[in-house]
Amino acid sequence: SQTIHQWPATLVQPVGSPLSLECTVEGTSNPNLYWYRQAAGRGLQLLFYSVGIGQISSEVPQNLSASRPQDRQFILSSKKLLLSDSGFYLCAWSVPRTKDSTKLYYEQYFGPGTRLTVT
Amino acid sequence: QQPVQSPQAVILREGEDAVINCSSSKALYSVHWYRQKHGEAPVFLMILLKGGEQKGHDKISASFNEKKQQSSLYLTASQLSYSGTYFCGIPPTTDSWGKLQFGAGTQVVVTP
Repeated sequence: SQTIHQWPATLVQPVGSPLSLECTVEGTSNPNLYWYRQAAGRGLQLLFYSVGIGQISSEVPQNLSASRPQDRQFILSSKKLLLSDSGFYLCAWSVPRTKDSTKLYYEQYFGPGTRLTVT
Repeated sequence: QQPVQSPQAVILREGEDAVINCSSSKALYSVHWYRQKHGEAPVFLMILLKGGEQKGHDKISASFNEKKQQSSLYLTASQLSYSGTYFCGIPPTTDSWGKLQFGAGTQVVVTP
């Protein structure tokens, strides 16, 4: 079965410090990977997604970046954190599935998340 | 454009039923439902594909109406464990590599 790990679970960082959050997936090959951010009491905002090693697409321009150095590893980084970067960061994975040999769809599963507080 | 969920919140007594709606301004190809408990990550409940199918997860079921561009999640005979925030997610296009745009969520509180 597939599992997804994220670390650290919680992080408190001062404004202006760098950031590195890591996500790894086990039990599947060539997954699509996603980074979401959830501000307190809010919905889920897609930040980046990746369909393969080294392939990153950004959804929201900001001071964050993402990298995928290995097939099942996804990293979220920042050179200088802002107060507004605080939130719950969620990594997710999906693989394509088909129904009736025609319908292509993706089931997406989330990791446990990293709660980031920028002070 | 993100889907619109209604209601924003609902309070139920154990055993009561509730309906959560998810509407889109554009054509829907699939609808994904998640439940998130406080402080935890969202958990996948079910996916409905184009074709108007219905699905169930325990006593939680959902329908998908392509013509109306909406999906509804039905909480039947609610249990305390149903409490949480429910999100619907939709792919922005047919070829979106699994990306999802999520609604703002519906907070469900089930009381004894």
